[in-house]
Amino acid sequence: DSGVTQTPKHLITATGQRVTLRCSPRSGDLSVYWYQQSLDQGLQFLIQYYNGEERAKGNILERFSAQQFPDLHSELNLSSLELGDSALYFCASSGWAGANTIYFGEGSWLTVV
Amino acid sequence: GENVEQHPSTLSVQEGDSAVIKCTYSDSASNYFPWYKQELGKRPQLIIDIRSNVGEKKDQRIAVTLNKTAKHFSLHITETQPEDSAVYFCAATPMNRDDKIIFGKGTRLHILP
Repeated sequence: DSGVTQTPKHLITATGQRVTLRCSPRSGDLSVYWYQQSLDQGLQFLIQYYNGEERAKGNILERFSAQQFPDLHSELNLSSLELGDSALYFCASSGWAGANTIYFGEGSWLTVV
Repeated sequence: GENVEQHPSTLSVQEGDSAVIKCTYSDSASNYFPWYKQELGKRPQLIIDIRSNVGEKKDQRIAVTLNKTAKHFSLHITETQPEDSAVYFCAATPMNRDDKIIFGKGTRLHILP
């Protein structure tokens, strides 16, 4: 158990819909990362937050948005869903701005039908 | 932009033999190199890491070597076992820059009986 908690574990939704994925980082960690992993693909970096502020941005679609709340949990919002958005979405966390080791949650499986 | 290249994308080795996965990086400021193992449907887990002040690090059957001059690092697994079958990701990042971690595209390792 990495200490990073993600909900829901599985989600099936229809095209055009909107979903929210939730992440609680390890206790004391200030940084939260979101990654997308499609079938047999690598880890696609989406976005990182540090202590409530956006810190780095990857190839995140405009239909997707994220935020980190004062209690440090984070949410990834995916809207106008398309079939190609079906993937495993990972949240990861690390301790502080200088910490390099990131720890992944178990992921949220999203299936768009 | 900065990049981490990982080879091979797929590797099959006989049980008991050794496996080597290689990565090269472009950011000369990188000085922390973690390796993650991802079993099917599971989260990536840190298995070993190396910092630029050492050239090699071992942990039982796993070792990582680093050549900073050539900007490449490798994962070595000896006496492979069926449970070593997984996808392995390398990553590179400058120390104290958690917003700069870059992952390779992964290597799928098959251990043949």
